[in-house]
Amino acid sequence: KNQVEQSPQSLIILEGKNCTLQCNYTVSPFSNLRWYKQDTGRGPVSLTIMTFSENTKSNGRYTATLDADTKQSSLHITASQLSDSASYICVVISGGSYIPTFGRGTSLIVHP
Amino acid sequence: NAGVTQTPKFRVLKTGQSMTLLCAQDMNHEYMYWYRQDPGMGLRLIHYSVGEGTTAKGEVPDGYNVSRLKKQNFLLGLESAAPSQTSVYFCASSNRVSTDTQYFGPGTRLTVL
Repeated sequence: KNQVEQSPQSLIILEGKNCTLQCNYTVSPFSNLRWYKQDTGRGPVSLTIMTFSENTKSNGRYTATLDADTKQSSLHITASQLSDSASYICVVISGGSYIPTFGRGTSLIVHP
Repeated sequence: NAGVTQTPKFRVLKTGQSMTLLCAQDMNHEYMYWYRQDPGMGLRLIHYSVGEGTTAKGEVPDGYNVSRLKKQNFLLGLESAAPSQTSVYFCASSNRVSTDTQYFGPGTRLTVL
């Protein structure tokens, strides 16, 4: 069964600090991996999309990495801001069917 | 350019009642999707459409029906609502299913009593 596991489940950091969120997946075949940010009460917003051949992709202070061999991805947030407080969701798209498998998300709280 | 809109934003139903959720997009996207999001679980795909007049089942299609009569609209219907369908429903759209960004609507919070 295709699965996406995210860690940690929740994280609290101080404003200005960096943090890294983890995503492990067992989806096969693999098409691409996405990271979304979801603010409370809103729909998810795409941060990055990475295909099999991409190791790193950045979007401002957000940098995602992908290791397709170990089936792991990470999302690094640099110099966190209060507005980074949200749920971060890892999604893996299956090749062929293109059915997405969503992780449960990591809840990030940034304190001043 | 409103992006993806959903109506209604909130709804309370009694068990056995029916309703339709409307999703509209103004980005001329071919693909549209309906998801549900439950506490402690990831989003799950209910149904999706790869173009006007076509629909397909996702991961959790039971108890739901969909229609895509117009390219810009994707309707999600509940014929006989059950408490297990209490959830937040999100619609999304994209140009292509494989690698293009999915744009999500703001969600509909549905409670079935």
